[in-house]
Amino acid sequence: RKEVEQDPGPFNVPEGATVAFNCTYSNSASQSFFWYRQDCRKEPKLLMSVYSSGNEDGRFTAQLNRASQYISLLIRDSKLSDSATYLCVVKVAAGGTSYGKLTFGQGTILTVHP
Amino acid sequence: DAGVIQSPRHEVTEMGQEVTLRCKPISGHDYLFWYRQTMMRGLELLIYFNNNVPIDDSGMPEDRFSAKMPNASFSTLKIQPSEPRDSAVYFCASSYLRDSDEAFFGQGTRLTVV
Repeated sequence: RKEVEQDPGPFNVPEGATVAFNCTYSNSASQSFFWYRQDCRKEPKLLMSVYSSGNEDGRFTAQLNRASQYISLLIRDSKLSDSATYLCVVKVAAGGTSYGKLTFGQGTILTVHP
Repeated sequence: DAGVIQSPRHEVTEMGQEVTLRCKPISGHDYLFWYRQTMMRGLELLIYFNNNVPIDDSGMPEDRFSAKMPNASFSTLKIQPSEPRDSAVYFCASSYLRDSDEAFFGQGTRLTVV
């Protein structure tokens, strides 16, 4: 089983749609969680961190369920510029083996069309 | 800071040749990661270092791959001998120790082995 698993995608949605991505992780020592965005032929870049209480950044909302080891990202009012690959990322906490290990999911491709 | 710097940006080599990829992390970062990205397998962690010491190299595919970090400002990933299946984009990333800190990626090296 992969350490981080994401929705296979791809997602094709019209502008203005709401889209949700899901992610599960297997390492219970994971402590920090992130969503990264990767544009075509570019490097991954941080989109947002994911906090235990859930957090929002404009049209983006991230949720964490530690009991289920589940992370989600919701994008509201999709824009053409949101088209990219979204990567779920987990980081192993202090005290666990492989402290600091940063593991990426396979990524979910999102295409927003007019 | 100029960010994480990788070289070369592109590399085309013949099967059997030695390939060396280089990375300069962001100054002051404690962690350095090497990833490989392909369409089939996504972003795979090959090895990572903490304060120049390799912590986890379980992702290194085989003995043909080796990585070093002789000092805090430089790391290399070497493939010897290279094979066509090594063709991929290789990313280097660096981050701080703190759990909440994001990893910053270099622009990657696109390796083609013919």
